[in-house]
Amino acid sequence: SQTIHQWPATLVQPVGSPLSLECTVEGTSNPNLYWYRQAAGRGLQLLFYSVGIGQISSEVPQNLSASRPQDRQFILSSKKLLLSDSGFYLCAWSRGREETQYFGPGTRLLVL
Amino acid sequence: ILNVEQSPQSLHVQEGDSTNFTCSFPSSNFYALHWYRWETAKSPEALFVMTLNGDEKKKGRISATLNTKEGYSYLYIKGSQPEDSATYLCAFNFGNEKLTFGTGTRLTIIP
Repeated sequence: SQTIHQWPATLVQPVGSPLSLECTVEGTSNPNLYWYRQAAGRGLQLLFYSVGIGQISSEVPQNLSASRPQDRQFILSSKKLLLSDSGFYLCAWSRGREETQYFGPGTRLLVL
Repeated sequence: ILNVEQSPQSLHVQEGDSTNFTCSFPSSNFYALHWYRWETAKSPEALFVMTLNGDEKKKGRISATLNTKEGYSYLYIKGSQPEDSATYLCAFNFGNEKLTFGTGTRLTIIP
């Protein structure tokens, strides 16, 4: 069976510090991978998605970036965090377009 | 801009009562509609994927219908139980790799 992991579970970071959130998927190959954010009081916003190693599509221009160094690894990064980066970050995977997306446990980020 | 709208935003229902809520989406270029349940402190869990006009899907006490011509889907919960309390999200797919999510309906079941 497939599982998806995210870490860390929670993170408190000062403004201006770097960020690295990691997501890994087990039990499948060549998945589509996604990063979402839920800001306080808002819905799920798609940040990035990837259909293969090294292929990243950005949905919202901002100070975040994503990378996919391996088939089942997806990393969300920032060089300098802003207060507005606070939120709940979810990674998800799917087998392909129109398929169900399966979500990881999420990372709660608080930028102070 | 592709809008997926859900109503109501929140709902309080007495335990044992049945309820339903709505997801509205653009009726052109339809490919698939997804429903998810998102419980507090957990990650979203897939309920249904619906692709055909007139589709009706069921999972226990929860069912959903789809009208692609008019651009809406209903989610029904029969005989609500406390464990049904969650935010219910719908998401629209236009035939690419992305899902566009609505803001959800937050359901609270009152014991």
